[in-house]
Amino acid sequence: EIVMTQSPATLSVSPGERATLSCRASQSGSSNLAWYQQKPGQAPRLLIYAASTRATGIPARFSGSGSGTEFTLTISSLQSEDFAVYYCQHYNNWPPMYTFGQGTKLEI
Amino acid sequence: QVQLQESGPGLVKPSQTLSLTCTVSGGSITNGAYYWSWIRQHPGKGLEWIGYIYYSGSTSYNPSLKSRVTISLDTSENQFSLKLSSVTATDTAVYYCARERHGGFDYWGQGTLVTVSS
Repeated sequence: EIVMTQSPATLSVSPGERATLSCRASQSGSSNLAWYQQKPGQAPRLLIYAASTRATGIPARFSGSGSGTEFTLTISSLQSEDFAVYYCQHYNNWPPMYTFGQGTKLEI
Repeated sequence: QVQLQESGPGLVKPSQTLSLTCTVSGGSITNGAYYWSWIRQHPGKGLEWIGYIYYSGSTSYNPSLKSRVTISLDTSENQFSLKLSSVTATDTAVYYCARERHGGFDYWGQGTLVTVSS
C-alpha cells in the first residue's frame, strides 16, 4: 500500500509570494497524482490531475510537477483566496486504490 | 453543471448500518467515462477513500473497509448508495460522494456529517 507524505505540515507565506508544496510517495506512483484545495466547511476542489494537468477552471498560477515518488504543487503568486489546506492524492490503476496525503495548511 | 448531493441519517447507533445516498444531477450516472466514489473525512483530519462503483455495477473498495462496505447503483434514479455495517465511533466523519475521471475527483457533494453514537 502506497503511503503519501506531504511537507511541510504548515507553510506560512505572504500574499504575492510563491508557495511550493511537496508530496512524496512511499513507492513509485508514476504520474498518477492529483492535488486538491480545501477550505473550511467545503468539499475539496480538484486543482491538478495526472501530476501536471490543471483541472477545468483552475487559474494558471497553480502548477504541478513530478513523477515517480516526488511531486510538487506550486502556486506562483499567492492570492488571498489561496490560503487553505492542500491534499495530494495517488491513484493506483490495479487494484484500484486512492490514497490521500495528510495535507499541508497554507497560511498567511 | 454536474451536481452531487448526499442524503441520509446524521446519527447512527453503534453496531448498526450507516446508509447514505448520492443523487447526481446535470449528468448521467451511466456515462462510462466516470467512476462514482464515496470518500470520508474524520473531524479535523484527512481524507479516506471508501470505494467506487462503475455504471456497469462493478465495484472496488478500500481494503481497510472492504468487509463492511457495499456500494450500489440505482440508474433509474441517477443515484448511488453507500452501506457501512457494524459502525463504531471511529466511523464518525463527514461523508462525501464524488465523481472520478483520470484519477482525480472533479465533482463532489457538499458532504454530510454522520455521527455514530447511542
